[in-house]
Amino acid sequence: RKEVEQDPGPFNVPEGATVAFNCTYSNSASQSFFWYRQDCRKEPKLLMSVYSSGNEDGRFTAQLNRASQYISLLIRDSKLSDSATYLCVVGGAGSYQLTFGKGTKLSVIP
Amino acid sequence: DTGVSQNPRHKITKRGQNVTFRCDPISEHNRLYWYRQTLGQGPEFLTYFQNEAQLEKSRLLSDRFSAERPKGSFSTLEIQRTEQGDSAMYLCASSSDNEQFFGPGTRLTVL
Repeated sequence: RKEVEQDPGPFNVPEGATVAFNCTYSNSASQSFFWYRQDCRKEPKLLMSVYSSGNEDGRFTAQLNRASQYISLLIRDSKLSDSATYLCVVGGAGSYQLTFGKGTKLSVIP
Repeated sequence: DTGVSQNPRHKITKRGQNVTFRCDPISEHNRLYWYRQTLGQGPEFLTYFQNEAQLEKSRLLSDRFSAERPKGSFSTLEIQRTEQGDSAMYLCASSSDNEQFFGPGTRLTVL
């Protein structure tokens, strides 16, 4: 079983749609959780950290369920500029290394 | 530009040659990381420094790979006797807390 697994994608959605990304992780000792965004041929950039209480940043909502070892990202009212690959990322216990999922590519279509 | 910088941005080499990449982190960040990313995959952790101390190394980091951060500022990653399987994007990141900031990467092609 891979350490971090994401929906394989790609997702092709029209502008204005709501899209949800799902992710599971295998290490129950994981301590930190993130969603990164990576544009084509660019470096990953932090989109948002994910907390057990859930957190929202504008059109983006992230949720963490530690019992199920499940992380989600919801994008509402998607824009053309949201087109990118979304990477689910988990940080270990006592370690600063990050473990990335393969990413899910999103294309928002006019 | 106060972000993470990496040089060179692209490197093409022949199998068996040695290559060295440089990473300049954000100046106040004491932690520096190296990752490798191949097409269609997420970045994979290679190694991590806190100041000049190399504290973690992945199993992916074979004996042909060595990384240094001699003065706790910039870092170098050297690959000796390159193989075609080393072709990838090598990403450097730095942090002072949980958020890691990535550089633009060095794309290595081994012919």
